[in-house]
Amino acid sequence: GAVVSQHPSWVICKSGTSVKIECRSLDFQATTMFWYRQFPKQSLMLMATSNEGSKATYEQGVEKDKFLINHASLTLSTLTVTSAHPEDSSFYICSAPDRGTGELFFGEGSRLTVL
Amino acid sequence: GDSVTQMEGPVTLSEEAFLTINCTYTATGYPSLFWYVQYPGEGLQLLLKATKADDKGSNKGFEATYRKETTSFHLEKGSVQVSDSAVYFCALTHNNNDMRFGAGTRLTVKP
Repeated sequence: GAVVSQHPSWVICKSGTSVKIECRSLDFQATTMFWYRQFPKQSLMLMATSNEGSKATYEQGVEKDKFLINHASLTLSTLTVTSAHPEDSSFYICSAPDRGTGELFFGEGSRLTVL
Repeated sequence: GDSVTQMEGPVTLSEEAFLTINCTYTATGYPSLFWYVQYPGEGLQLLLKATKADDKGSNKGFEATYRKETTSFHLEKGSVQVSDSAVYFCALTHNNNDMRFGAGTRLTVKP
């Protein structure tokens, strides 16, 4: 079946640095990808919708300058956490709908720890 | 806005026990309802879904029925296996894009 892959699966960085997380659709094209954030013992919260060829759409309360999203191609979206702080430590998950079936496929998630 | 509430875990069961994970939702109109499963180290996988009231989704021995009158979509399995140990998420969407998730319930099945 369709596969969505994220990289890295986990990353540790120092406060103030920027971290990039990649989300790839491996065997289908995705004009739209979704980025979620999950805090411990809480549900996945939609952060933004990534659109190929145009600007991302951010949910209310999500800082677009903090979480930069780029949808460079039909198979790749990136999330860059800029000037990371400890409170940005979280589990970030992406998903993409298969244009053919409409079904949503999720990446494995990326765990970010900011020291 | 739309939201999903599912029972808190963790849930620990012995092999072959009966499983119920409760899920209720708040939404306008008639959303589609889903259960996703996340095995350790893997991404979320669609387990089953139901798109209209009274529909029953089923897969791998798991079942859930879309109950409009009680706004519920409880997940059940008659006999769990160790391999069912995972985190289960209840979710809803109106357009298959903006998915709203419950907090997830961790299930551990002991031999």
